[in-house]
Order: sequence, then C-alpha cells, then structure tokens
Amino acid sequence: EAGVAQSPRYKIIEKRQSVAFWCNPISGHATLYWYQQILGQGPKLLIQFQNNGVVDDSQLPKDRFSAERLKGVDSTLKIQPAKLEDSAVYLCASSWGSGANVLTFGAGSRLTVL
Amino acid sequence: GESVGLHLPTLSVQEGDNSIINCAYSNSASDYFIWYKQESGKGPQFIIDIRSNMDKRQGQRVTVLLNKTVKHLSLQIAATQPGDSAVYFCAFTTSGTYKYIFGTGTRLKVLA
Repeated sequence: EAGVAQSPRYKIIEKRQSVAFWCNPISGHATLYWYQQILGQGPKLLIQFQNNGVVDDSQLPKDRFSAERLKGVDSTLKIQPAKLEDSAVYLCASSWGSGANVLTFGAGSRLTVL
Repeated sequence: GESVGLHLPTLSVQEGDNSIINCAYSNSASDYFIWYKQESGKGPQFIIDIRSNMDKRQGQRVTVLLNKTVKHLSLQIAATQPGDSAVYFCAFTTSGTYKYIFGTGTRLKVLA
C-alpha cells in the first residue's frame, strides 16, 4: 500500500512569510496527525483530525498556524506569519483511528525560517 | 540528509552486541506503547508495539519490555547491526484518545 505522502520536502522562507504543507494519508485511515519536530527533540503533536473534524488542537499556535482536512482525506498545514522558532520538520501521520493503532508517518517537510 | 537528534542522549554499542534503550512515561492510564526508529532525513518508522495487558513482546531481533509499576518501557535489540544506527523514540497513548505522546529519544550509534 502507498505510504503517507507529504510535500514539499524542503522549504526555506524569510520570517514573516507564509508557507503551506500538504499531506495525503494512507487510504482509509480516518485519523490524521500533524507533528512538529524541532532538531534534537521528539515529535510534538500540533493537531489531530478524526475524519474531517478536529479532535485535539490544544498545542497548535492558533495565532499563526492553521490546518484543515477537507473531505476527511488530505490535509494542509499553514503557517502565517512564520517565525524563526518555527524552523522544524513537520511530520504528518495517519492511523485507522478505531482504538489504539500504529501511526504511519510520512517523510516530513523540513522548514527553515531565515 | 541532515542529522536528527544532535543533542539527544547517545548510546554507543559495538556491532554484534545487544542494545537496550529505555523510556519512562508519566501517565498511568497509558495503555498502548510503540517504539519508532528514525533515520536521518526520514519520518519515524514502526518497530514494535505492546499493550498494557502484556509485559513482554518479541519481534525479529527486538524485544519490548513494559513495567507498569514503575512506568518504564525498554527496547532490546539483539546482535546490533550498523543499519540499526538511528534515533529511537517511544510513543504512548490511552485508548479512546488516539493522542500519542513521544519521548525525547535516544540516538543509537553502532561501532564497527
């Protein structure tokens, strides 16, 4: 089966600019996650979707980050305006969602903010 | 690709030796645990999982041990190989929430 697809793989922007990341989960996976991984740290959950509804966005900096999952399939994560501390890898993951299941991750999108 | 985990705790082992990587969790309600391996420039990759009704589970060259009393999880890798060099993360969740929390990670270096 195809894995979790993410794009772009790399993005370099100036601070205060905007950026968007795209994720296509594994077909049939109801739950989709966006994680932020700063160099040297474990992934930190930003937002969790169940189908097209938000389950948890308590750690999403809503003044600058937004995410949507229209039609319950693919998702976009946007940052506007970006700050230097947003430099990180943004990982998308998906799972079946019914009960505790393995998360399958994409390769990630590496953001550098200058 | 760029390295993951430049400032993470590092475990260095000789090729062929066994490796033990540890993880502590704080929520006693956690009931599902996963170990992930992350190579440079890649997303985390599933290694093995365990549910709270078990205290040990074995895979190919890997064993996960769960001690719920002290809220401790370990990953044992037998006959460590150069391809095992990576950063290893534990992740845990509570059934019904689907919210996975990741540990800080350990970098495993295999010495030839």
